Amino acid sequence: AQSVSQHNHHVILSEAASLELGCNYSYGGTVNLFWYVQYPGQHLQLLLKYFSGDPLVKGIKGFEAEFIKSKFSFNLRKPSVQWSDTAEYFCAVNDNQGGKLIFGQGTELSVKP
Amino acid sequence: DAGITQSPRHKVTETGTPVTLRCHQTENHRYMYWYRQDPGHGLRLIHYSYGVKDTDKGEVSDGYSVSRSKTEDFLLTLESATSSQTSVYFCAIQGSGYGNTIYFGEGSWLTVV
Repeated sequence: AQSVSQHNHHVILSEAASLELGCNYSYGGTVNLFWYVQYPGQHLQLLLKYFSGDPLVKGIKGFEAEFIKSKFSFNLRKPSVQWSDTAEYFCAVNDNQGGKLIFGQGTELSVKP
Repeated sequence: DAGITQSPRHKVTETGTPVTLRCHQTENHRYMYWYRQDPGHGLRLIHYSYGVKDTDKGEVSDGYSVSRSKTEDFLLTLESATSSQTSVYFCAIQGSGYGNTIYFGEGSWLTVV
């Protein structure tokens, strides 16, 4: 069965610091990978996604993620965080048959002004 | 806006009562999902549907049933609500075809007292 692991449960950064959130998945086949963000009290919004091609994916709000197949990883990065990036971040995976998006436990990011 | 409406958005109910949550979409997407979100668990799939009257169980389906009699509506029913079902419930939709993103509704906050 597929599973997704996010190693950081709560990350606290100061504004302008760099961010990297870890995500590892277990699945032997071809996967689609996603990062979603959830701002306090809101629903999940798609940050970026990877299906195929260039393993470095750029998303909204200056976020990017790198797919490293050999490490089964899809880490999220941002060079300089802002207070407005305070939110919970979820990594997710499904296979290329579609559907059944499996989520990690989430990482809460707190950015201090 | 992915055209997803969840109702009710907030509900408080008593243990043992039946509860139905409704997800309505305007995009004519094939796939619809119900997830629950709980602290420390991320989002967990309850049930999903891949067409009218075609549904299947997710990882946490016990105590829940679903129905999809029309493409646009996907109902989640708690036959006899328990306190462990206090959660935030998210509906999601996905179009058919390779690489389609899953979009989420705004959530339904359910409290079982």
